[in-house]
Amino acid sequence: GAGVSQSPRYKVTKRGQDVALRCDPISGHVSLYWYRQALGQGPEFLTYFNYEAQQDKSGLPNDRFSAERPEGSISTLTIQRTEQRDSAMYRCASSLAPNTEAFFGQGTRLTVV
Amino acid sequence: GEDVEQSLFLSVREGDSSVINCTYTDSSSTYLYWYKQEPGAGLQLLTYIFSNMDMKQDQRLTVLLNKKDKHLSLRIADTQTGDSAIYFCASRQTGAGSYQLTFGKGTKLSVIP
Repeated sequence: GAGVSQSPRYKVTKRGQDVALRCDPISGHVSLYWYRQALGQGPEFLTYFNYEAQQDKSGLPNDRFSAERPEGSISTLTIQRTEQRDSAMYRCASSLAPNTEAFFGQGTRLTVV
Repeated sequence: GEDVEQSLFLSVREGDSSVINCTYTDSSSTYLYWYKQEPGAGLQLLTYIFSNMDMKQDQRLTVLLNKKDKHLSLRIADTQTGDSAIYFCASRQTGAGSYQLTFGKGTKLSVIP
């Protein structure tokens, strides 16, 4: 597609529920990143994929968070047993290669009530 | 790890120049970026500079890098109301994890008509 597409744009979920956030990167981009942005803060790195391989998940805060990119294109970030502190903007980015400019999607605003 | 600092707010009159400042701590930062975030929109890459450059100009935008002081600035000439947004400075290091961006907290630019 023309840009990085994320869905849903907004998600409200009850505490304890699982959520899945989707990212569709720019066509042909091999690198995909997930970031989390709390209110009033800059984005913080969560995880990185090169094609389908998850090469770095050091930013995932705990084992409730997981991500996959099974065919090297669309990626899903899953949060299990959501907690209120998980509320944030979740941003996906993609780049043509690992060390080239990253282009961000509009993000998914997650609210856990 | 890397730390990126920015002042949180800047207010300028329409037509004046805006200067947004950023400092970073990791001397191995190779690429330094400026992103713009408008309400409801994704992070838009404005410009970037390699660490072996002192200055980069792109239309109304001028990036200055003082590598000795680890100081980066973004100057916007003839600031317009459409420039009102949050501006994020971000750095990327060399070596392992070089695909990660480290962001500052963002500077909110308000343009007074």
